[in-house]
Amino acid sequence: EDQVTQSPEALRLQEGESSSLNCSYTVSGLRGLFWYRQDPGKGPEFLFTLYSAGEEKEKERLKATLTKKESFLHITAPKPEDSATYLCAVQANNQGGKLIFGQGTELSVKP
Amino acid sequence: NAGVMQNPRHLVRRRGQEARLRCSPMKGHSHVYWYRQLPEEGLKFMVYLQKENIIDESGMPKERFSAEFPKEGPSILRIQQVVRGDSAAYFCASSPPSSGLREQFFGPGTRLTVL
Repeated sequence: EDQVTQSPEALRLQEGESSSLNCSYTVSGLRGLFWYRQDPGKGPEFLFTLYSAGEEKEKERLKATLTKKESFLHITAPKPEDSATYLCAVQANNQGGKLIFGQGTELSVKP
Repeated sequence: NAGVMQNPRHLVRRRGQEARLRCSPMKGHSHVYWYRQLPEEGLKFMVYLQKENIIDESGMPKERFSAEFPKEGPSILRIQQVVRGDSAAYFCASSPPSSGLREQFFGPGTRLTVL
């Protein structure tokens, strides 16, 4: 069964304290892995798509990487406005378009 | 330049009533997906539609739930005879009509409360 597990469930950082979020996945043929950010009371906001192992993508303080079993979202020198829940999702080959989401990591950055 | 639009943003229904949730995809997008986020749970896929076609409804509960995406107008997720367990946030996402990998862009959601 296709599955996505994110860790930790919650992460509290001080402003400027870099860290990484983990997304482990089991899927029968990975078409793509997606990272989203979700603020309370809002819909998920698209961040990155990763297609194959070894690929990396960056956006401001965020950098996403992908291996054959997991993805990392690295946050460098975070700011309070980076506080949100970060969601990881996979799309499998031959499964149409549906995304399989992890439970998310709730990130809190204190000034 | 509008994103995915959903309405209403908040919906309150009593047990046994019907709930209708609407989703207008981004301009140029012809694929619509519905997801449900129960309290303290992750997003779960419900249904994938293209214009006038249901492509994948493997995540839809077998009873009381239906979805459509007509040739004209928004996509509708309909829940008949709602129960308290239907209380959740319902999100719609859309993607463009390209082959292969498609990023999905989400709307703000409809928060359904069943009294």
